[in-house]
This record gives sequence, structure tokens and C-alpha cells, in this order.
Amino acid sequence: AQSVAQPEDQVNVAEGNPLTVKCTYSVSGNPYLFWYVQYPNRGLQFLLKYITGDNLVKGSYGFEAEFNKSQTSFHLKKPSALVSDSALYFCAVRDYSGGGADGLTFGKGTHLIIQP
Amino acid sequence: DGGITQSPKYLFRKEGQNVTLSCEQNLNHDAMYWYRQDPGQGLRLIYYSQIVNDFQKGDIAEGYSVSREKKESFPLTVTSAQKNPTAFYLCASSMWDRGYGVFFGPGTRLTVL
Repeated sequence: AQSVAQPEDQVNVAEGNPLTVKCTYSVSGNPYLFWYVQYPNRGLQFLLKYITGDNLVKGSYGFEAEFNKSQTSFHLKKPSALVSDSALYFCAVRDYSGGGADGLTFGKGTHLIIQP
Repeated sequence: DGGITQSPKYLFRKEGQNVTLSCEQNLNHDAMYWYRQDPGQGLRLIYYSQIVNDFQKGDIAEGYSVSREKKESFPLTVTSAQKNPTAFYLCASSMWDRGYGVFFGPGTRLTVL
């Protein structure tokens, strides 16, 4: 079975500082990894994904994530935080192997709070 | 949220009633999903469908039912057997390619009175 852990329920960062939201995963095969953002009472918006290739993935709104196979991690990062980045962030995984388009497995989410 | 619509946005139900949540997509995606979101628990998969007229149970299917009669539509019925139905329900869709990613609708917030 696959799983995702987001060890921090909340991350607080001052505006203009770099931010990191942590994610570790467990799958039996090779992973497809995703980050999503959710604003209050809204659906999830896709930020970025890792499929294969370069371990540093760039996504929307200046976010990036680094895939580390040995540490089974996929941390989300941004060099300079904005107040508008405040939201709930979800990491998700899908096993590379297997057939069909079954669902993603999500972490419990991390509230990111950017303080002016 | 583009391309996936959910209705209604807010839904109130009395105990013992069945309710149906609508989900429609115009993205020509093969697969559709229903997730339930509760505070502090992330998203949990209820049902998914990879092709028309076929669907599979997810992690928390008890008390729910679905149908997939058209590629564009994947309605979810919350039955009276669901003991704790108050939650935020998210519909999503994806292509068959497992690396494609999953795209979400705006959600329906169901409250049982």
C-alpha cells in the first residue's frame, strides 16, 4: 500500500523568507508525486508533479519541489514567500506500476501561514 | 477548477435522507473520482471509475453509491447508511495515463441537520 506523510500540521514563515513544506512517501514501486494547494472552501489546484527526470521540478506561482529517492521525500519550496501563498497544501503519490487510473493517495495537508 | 463542475455548492440534509451530489466534466477525461475531506484527515477516496459503466470502491465506500452512465458524469449518492456524512466532497477527473495528474472540481459541502 502507498502512503504519504506531511509531518507538520502548520508552517509559519515571514513574508519574503524562503519556505519549505515537507512530504515523505512510501510506495512499492517508483512514484509519481504531486503537490496541490487549496484555498478555503475551494477545490484543489495542481501546483507541480514529478514523473521522471530532473529531481528539481518547477511549478506554478514560483513553487518548486525536490525529489529525493534515497530519503523518499518530495519537499515543496519557494525562495521568497508571499502573504497570498497562505493556504492548505497537499502532497500526493501514485505508484508508477499497475494498470489504470486509480486515485491518488494524499497526505493530511499542511497549513502554510505567511506573516506580513 | 476549470472543466469540472459540482452542484450544489452547499447541501443540507436531514438524517435518514439520501442525497445525490452532481459532478460533470468536459475535459474528455477517462477516469473520475470522489474524495471526502474532513479537517485534519486529508482527502480519502470514496469511489472511482476508469471507464463508463464500471467503478471501484475506494478506501471509504460504505454508505455511498455511484453510477457512471456517461463519460462526462459521475454522481455520488450519500445514503442514510453513511453514519457521519457531514463533510466537504470533491469530485476529480484524470486521463488514463497515471502520470497525468488529477484535476478537481470546486467541491460540495454537505451538512446533516
